[in-house]
Amino acid sequence: EDKVVQSPLSLVVHEGDTVTLNCSYEVTNFRSLLWYKQEKKAPTFLFMLTSSGIEKKSGRLSSILDKKELFSILNITATQTGDSAIYLCAVRAAGGGADGLTFGKGTHLIIQP
Amino acid sequence: DTEVTQTPKHLVMGMTNKKSLKCEQHMGHRAMYWYKQKAKKPPELMFVYSYEKLSINESVPSRFSPECPNSSLLNLHLHALQPEDSALYLCASSLDNMLKNNEQFFGPGTRLTVL
Repeated sequence: EDKVVQSPLSLVVHEGDTVTLNCSYEVTNFRSLLWYKQEKKAPTFLFMLTSSGIEKKSGRLSSILDKKELFSILNITATQTGDSAIYLCAVRAAGGGADGLTFGKGTHLIIQP
Repeated sequence: DTEVTQTPKHLVMGMTNKKSLKCEQHMGHRAMYWYKQKAKKPPELMFVYSYEKLSINESVPSRFSPECPNSSLLNLHLHALQPEDSALYLCASSLDNMLKNNEQFFGPGTRLTVL
C-alpha cells in the first residue's frame, strides 16, 4: 500500500521565520510528488517534482526531491501571515492505468504576526 | 479558461434523496477525478476517469455513482447516502493521466451535508 508521511503535523512560527516541511513516501512505481496549499477551500497546486536534486522555486517557496532517500522538502522563507494554511504532499504512482494521488495528512502551518 | 468548476458549492440532502454533483473543465484535460475530504483529513481518491472511461474505483460504496458524459464534464450521482458521507467533495483534472508529468488541478469543491 502506498504511504505518504508528512512532518511536522503542525507548526507555529513567527512572521519572518523560515520553515521547512517534510514529506517521505513509500510507493510502488513512483511517478511524481506534488505539493499543495490548502486554506479553507480546495488544494492549490504549488509544485510537481519528478527528478532528484532539481530545486523548484516560486517566490519565497522552494522544493526539492530526493528519490534515493524517498523524501521531499518544502521551504518557505520570510514567512507571512498569508502563508498560514495546510500544506499537503501527494504522490502519484503508476498503477498500470490512470492514477490518482495519495496524500499525506498535511502540515498545518500557522504564522503568527 | 484555466479552472475547474464545481456545482453546487453547498448541498444539504436527506438520506432518501437523490442528487448529483457536477464538475466541469475546459482546459482540454482528458483525466478527471473525484476525491472525498473529511474535516481535518487529506483528500481521498474515489474515482478516476481517463478518456471518459472509468479506470479506478477505490472501493467506493455503490450509493456513489460517477458519470463522465464527455471529456469536459464529470458527475457524481448520490443516492441513499449516510450522515457519515458528509464531506467536501473535490473534483480534479489533469492533462492526460498516462503522462509522467501531470499536475492535477482541483475545483473549489462541493460541501455536502447528509441529514
